[in-house]
Amino acid sequence: DAGVIQSPRHEVTEMGQEVTLRCKPISGHNSLFWYRQTMMRGLELLIYFNNNVPIDDSGMPEDRFSAKMPNASFSTLKIQPSEPRDSAVYFCASSLDRTGGGTEAFFGQGTRLTVV
Amino acid sequence: GQQVMQIPQYQHVQEGEDFTTYCNSSTTLSNIQWYKQRPGGHPVFLIQLVKSGEVKKQKRLTFQFGEAKKNSSLHITATQTTDVGTYFCAGPLKRGSARQLTFGSGTQLTVLP
Repeated sequence: DAGVIQSPRHEVTEMGQEVTLRCKPISGHNSLFWYRQTMMRGLELLIYFNNNVPIDDSGMPEDRFSAKMPNASFSTLKIQPSEPRDSAVYFCASSLDRTGGGTEAFFGQGTRLTVV
Repeated sequence: GQQVMQIPQYQHVQEGEDFTTYCNSSTTLSNIQWYKQRPGGHPVFLIQLVKSGEVKKQKRLTFQFGEAKKNSSLHITATQTTDVGTYFCAGPLKRGSARQLTFGSGTQLTVLP
Protein backbone atom coordinates (compact mmCIF):
# COMPACT_ATOMS: atom_id res chain seq x y z
CA ASP A 1 0.00 0.00 0.00
CA ALA A 2 1.26 3.49 -0.82
CA GLY A 3 0.15 4.87 2.53
CA VAL A 4 -2.09 7.87 3.05
CA ILE A 5 -1.96 10.09 0.00
CA GLN A 6 -2.65 13.79 0.19
CA SER A 7 -2.85 16.35 -2.57
CA PRO A 8 -1.70 18.89 -3.30
CA ARG A 9 1.55 18.92 -1.34
CA HIS A 10 1.72 22.69 -1.50
CA GLU A 11 -0.97 25.26 -2.14
CA VAL A 12 -0.60 29.01 -2.38
CA THR A 13 -3.80 30.96 -2.79
CA GLU A 14 -5.14 34.43 -2.40
CA MET A 15 -7.35 35.45 0.45
CA GLY A 16 -11.00 34.84 -0.37
CA GLN A 17 -10.37 31.94 -2.71
CA GLU A 18 -11.74 28.47 -2.18
CA VAL A 19 -9.23 25.77 -1.27
CA THR A 20 -9.84 22.02 -1.46
CA LEU A 21 -7.48 19.53 0.12
CA ARG A 22 -7.73 15.87 -0.78
CA CYS A 23 -6.94 12.64 1.01
CA LYS A 24 -6.90 8.98 0.10
CA PRO A 25 -6.65 6.82 3.24
CA ILE A 26 -5.02 3.44 3.45
CA SER A 27 -7.26 0.77 1.97
CA GLY A 28 -9.21 -1.06 4.66
CA HIS A 29 -8.88 1.64 7.29
CA ASN A 30 -12.16 2.72 8.79
CA SER A 31 -11.16 5.92 10.57
CA LEU A 32 -9.97 9.14 9.00
CA PHE A 33 -8.71 12.26 10.71
CA TRP A 34 -7.93 15.76 9.51
CA TYR A 35 -5.36 17.65 11.58
CA ARG A 36 -3.98 21.16 11.26
CA GLN A 37 -0.46 21.97 12.44
CA THR A 38 0.89 25.44 13.23
CA MET A 39 3.75 26.64 15.37
CA MET A 40 1.36 28.41 17.70
CA ARG A 41 -1.27 25.72 18.18
CA GLY A 42 0.55 22.49 17.44
CA LEU A 43 -1.40 19.53 16.05
CA GLU A 44 -5.13 20.20 16.23
CA LEU A 45 -7.76 17.63 15.38
CA LEU A 46 -10.28 19.22 13.03
CA ILE A 47 -12.63 16.36 12.25
CA TYR A 48 -12.87 12.62 12.66
CA PHE A 49 -14.73 10.19 10.39
CA ASN A 50 -15.55 6.61 11.24
CA ASN A 51 -16.91 4.40 8.46
CA ASN A 52 -17.31 7.53 6.30
CA VAL A 53 -19.54 9.22 8.88
CA PRO A 54 -18.40 12.43 10.60
CA ILE A 55 -18.28 11.59 14.30
CA ASP A 56 -16.87 14.79 15.73
CA ASP A 57 -16.32 18.06 13.91
CA SER A 58 -15.99 20.21 17.01
CA GLY A 59 -12.42 21.03 16.03
CA MET A 60 -13.45 22.69 12.79
CA PRO A 61 -12.60 26.33 13.44
CA GLU A 62 -15.62 27.92 11.80
CA ASP A 63 -18.23 27.62 9.08
CA ARG A 64 -15.67 28.40 6.42
CA PHE A 65 -14.33 24.89 6.93
CA SER A 66 -16.15 21.81 5.70
CA ALA A 67 -15.13 18.19 5.23
CA LYS A 68 -16.67 15.30 3.36
CA MET A 69 -16.02 11.62 2.98
CA PRO A 70 -18.21 10.38 0.12
CA ASN A 71 -16.68 6.90 0.22
CA ALA A 72 -14.12 4.85 2.09
CA SER A 73 -11.28 5.84 -0.21
CA PHE A 74 -11.59 9.60 -0.43
CA SER A 75 -12.04 12.66 1.73
CA THR A 76 -11.87 16.39 1.16
CA LEU A 77 -11.34 19.38 3.40
CA LYS A 78 -12.62 22.63 1.95
CA ILE A 79 -12.00 26.18 3.09
CA GLN A 80 -14.24 28.85 1.61
CA PRO A 81 -13.36 31.67 1.71
CA SER A 82 -9.74 31.23 2.77
CA GLU A 83 -7.99 33.70 5.07
CA PRO A 84 -4.29 34.29 5.84
CA ARG A 85 -4.76 32.80 9.34
CA ASP A 86 -5.65 29.49 7.69
CA SER A 87 -2.04 29.11 6.59
CA ALA A 88 -0.77 25.88 8.10
CA VAL A 89 0.15 22.30 7.29
CA TYR A 90 -2.93 20.12 7.02
CA PHE A 91 -2.49 16.42 7.68
CA CYS A 92 -4.83 13.58 6.90
CA ALA A 93 -4.41 10.38 8.88
CA SER A 94 -6.15 7.03 8.83
CA SER A 95 -6.35 4.04 11.12
CA LEU A 96 -8.10 0.72 11.54
CA ASP A 97 -9.87 1.47 14.76
CA ARG A 98 -12.92 0.03 16.46
CA THR A 99 -12.66 1.65 19.87
CA GLY A 100 -11.73 5.25 19.07
CA GLY A 101 -8.07 6.19 19.16
CA GLY A 102 -6.88 2.74 20.10
CA THR A 103 -4.63 1.97 17.19
CA GLU A 104 -1.83 3.74 15.44
CA ALA A 105 -2.61 6.49 13.00
CA PHE A 106 -0.84 6.67 9.66
CA PHE A 107 -0.26 10.19 8.43
CA GLY A 108 -0.05 11.52 4.93
CA GLN A 109 2.75 13.83 3.85
CA GLY A 110 0.57 16.85 4.50
CA THR A 111 -0.52 19.85 2.47
CA ARG A 112 1.29 23.09 3.19
CA LEU A 113 -1.27 25.84 2.66
CA THR A 114 -0.26 29.47 2.32
CA VAL A 115 -2.97 32.09 2.02
CA VAL A 116 -1.69 35.50 0.95
CA GLY B 1 -12.06 19.30 28.42
CA GLN B 2 -9.71 16.34 28.45
CA GLN B 3 -6.16 17.20 27.50
CA VAL B 4 -2.75 15.70 26.94
CA MET B 5 0.10 17.92 28.14
CA GLN B 6 3.73 17.47 27.25
CA ILE B 7 6.95 18.98 28.63
CA PRO B 8 9.38 20.41 27.84
CA GLN B 9 8.36 22.23 24.70
CA TYR B 10 11.96 22.49 23.49
CA GLN B 11 15.15 20.67 24.41
CA HIS B 12 18.65 21.25 23.15
CA VAL B 13 21.24 18.61 23.96
CA GLN B 14 24.81 17.90 23.01
CA GLU B 15 25.25 14.75 20.96
CA GLY B 16 25.78 11.86 23.36
CA GLU B 17 23.68 13.35 26.15
CA ASP B 18 20.42 11.80 27.28
CA PHE B 19 16.97 13.25 26.62
CA THR B 20 13.58 12.78 28.28
CA THR B 21 10.13 14.08 27.42
CA TYR B 22 7.12 13.75 29.70
CA CYS B 23 3.46 13.39 28.91
CA ASN B 24 0.52 13.88 31.29
CA SER B 25 -3.15 13.29 30.71
CA SER B 26 -6.03 14.89 32.53
CA THR B 27 -7.73 11.50 32.58
CA THR B 28 -6.85 7.82 32.66
CA LEU B 29 -5.91 6.50 29.25
CA SER B 30 -6.60 3.10 27.76
CA ASN B 31 -3.34 3.42 25.88
CA ILE B 32 -0.74 5.98 24.94
CA GLN B 33 1.09 6.31 21.67
CA TRP B 34 4.31 8.05 20.74
CA TYR B 35 5.12 9.61 17.40
CA LYS B 36 8.18 11.28 15.90
CA GLN B 37 8.06 14.05 13.34
CA ARG B 38 11.26 14.93 11.54
CA PRO B 39 11.67 18.56 10.40
CA GLY B 40 9.51 19.08 7.34
CA GLY B 41 7.99 15.64 7.70
CA HIS B 42 4.87 14.04 9.06
CA PRO B 43 4.27 12.28 12.38
CA VAL B 44 5.36 8.66 12.31
CA PHE B 45 4.18 6.10 14.84
CA LEU B 46 6.85 4.81 17.21
CA ILE B 47 5.08 2.68 19.79
CA GLN B 48 1.94 2.05 21.80
CA LEU B 49 1.77 1.30 25.53
CA VAL B 50 -1.30 -0.34 26.99
CA LYS B 51 -0.58 -1.82 30.41
CA SER B 52 -0.15 0.01 33.70
CA GLY B 53 3.56 0.40 34.47
CA GLU B 54 4.57 -0.92 31.07
CA VAL B 55 8.11 -0.31 29.86
CA LYS B 56 9.18 -0.87 26.27
CA LYS B 57 12.52 -0.35 24.59
CA GLN B 58 13.51 0.34 21.03
CA LYS B 59 17.30 0.42 20.84
CA ARG B 60 18.23 3.66 22.62
CA LEU B 61 14.60 4.69 23.25
CA THR B 62 12.79 3.69 26.44
CA PHE B 63 9.06 4.27 26.82
CA GLN B 64 7.18 4.10 30.11
CA PHE B 65 3.50 4.16 30.98
CA GLY B 66 2.66 5.26 34.50
CA GLU B 67 1.00 3.04 37.06
CA ALA B 68 -2.13 5.21 37.03
CA LYS B 69 -2.12 5.25 33.21
CA LYS B 70 -2.20 9.04 33.23
CA ASN B 71 1.42 9.78 32.41
CA SER B 72 4.18 8.53 30.19
CA SER B 73 7.76 9.29 29.31
CA LEU B 74 10.18 8.78 26.46
CA HIS B 75 13.87 8.59 27.28
CA ILE B 76 16.62 8.58 24.67
CA THR B 77 20.06 7.42 25.77
CA ALA B 78 23.13 8.93 24.13
CA THR B 79 21.36 11.07 21.58
CA GLN B 80 22.50 11.17 17.98
CA THR B 81 21.88 13.78 15.29
CA THR B 82 19.39 11.38 13.71
CA ASP B 83 17.20 11.80 16.80
CA VAL B 84 16.41 15.39 15.84
CA GLY B 85 12.69 16.07 15.51
CA THR B 86 9.53 16.62 17.48
CA TYR B 87 8.25 13.85 19.71
CA PHE B 88 4.53 13.67 20.36
CA CYS B 89 2.54 11.59 22.77
CA ALA B 90 -1.09 10.89 21.92
CA GLY B 91 -3.97 9.32 23.71
CA PRO B 92 -7.62 8.49 23.03
CA LEU B 93 -9.53 11.25 24.78
CA LYS B 94 -13.27 11.68 24.87
CA ARG B 95 -14.68 14.47 22.77
CA GLY B 96 -18.41 14.50 22.69
CA SER B 97 -19.69 10.97 22.26
CA ALA B 98 -16.51 9.43 20.90
CA ARG B 99 -12.86 8.99 21.79
CA GLN B 100 -10.32 10.36 19.36
CA LEU B 101 -6.59 10.34 19.19
CA THR B 102 -5.50 13.61 20.79
CA PHE B 103 -1.91 14.77 20.55
CA GLY B 104 0.20 16.54 23.11
CA SER B 105 1.97 19.75 22.12
CA GLY B 106 5.19 17.89 21.38
CA THR B 107 8.81 18.27 22.47
CA GLN B 108 11.15 19.60 19.83
CA LEU B 109 14.57 18.02 20.22
CA THR B 110 17.70 19.61 18.82
CA VAL B 111 20.94 17.64 18.96
CA LEU B 112 24.10 19.66 18.65
CA PRO B 113 27.04 17.80 17.06
